[in-house]
Amino acid sequence: DTGVSQDPRHKITKRGQNVTFRCDPISEHNRLYWYRQTLGQGPEFLTYFQNEAQLEKSRLLSDRFSAERPKGSFSTLEIQRTEQGDSAMYLCASSLQDNYGYTFGSGTRLTVV
Amino acid sequence: DAKTTQPTSMDCAEGRAANLPCNHSTISGNEYVYWYRQIHSQGPQYIIHGLKNNETNEMASLIITEDRKSSTLILPHATLRDTAVYYCIVRRTGANNLFFGTGTRLTVIP
Repeated sequence: DTGVSQDPRHKITKRGQNVTFRCDPISEHNRLYWYRQTLGQGPEFLTYFQNEAQLEKSRLLSDRFSAERPKGSFSTLEIQRTEQGDSAMYLCASSLQDNYGYTFGSGTRLTVV
Repeated sequence: DAKTTQPTSMDCAEGRAANLPCNHSTISGNEYVYWYRQIHSQGPQYIIHGLKNNETNEMASLIITEDRKSSTLILPHATLRDTAVYYCIVRRTGANNLFFGTGTRLTVIP
């Protein structure tokens, strides 16, 4: 399978705990994106990497959120001190060049209880 | 990036063409029109994009009006597996933030 992989698919955590999600993009794609989607809404942009550089962050990405892409390959998204409002689907996407379509993963569904 | 307006929902009979409209009246000259769809519990799937010419691929056709203020995504022979939310997105070259909106929920009816 050469698509975008995300792990885990589902995560249930208690409020206040830290969680980390992983995304493995398509290997030759140098651009990587994180989005968040809540029930009934379209995905919302969180952040963008080109290779290992994080070039853009949304205002949605509060200081409790941090994303990394240390070697320009896989990426992690960490949420510290989770809140119930963080419950959502977290989607990762990758692309090869500008003006190409993005390939999305199946997402990680986070439930904060 | 320009915003888009889409109907909230549409139905289409299986085997018929599904025509999904999108208005983007404030589109700029360097903005592309993209279409994605999202089947329940999956990530969005890229369908097609275009600037001003009509485009066709194995999934769909994209018809953009001459003034570029609106477009139509055409699924020529809809199947039950095409039931999904379809998002029309306007994106300028170099923009990294795709604004999805709430899309059109297409239901293909047997």
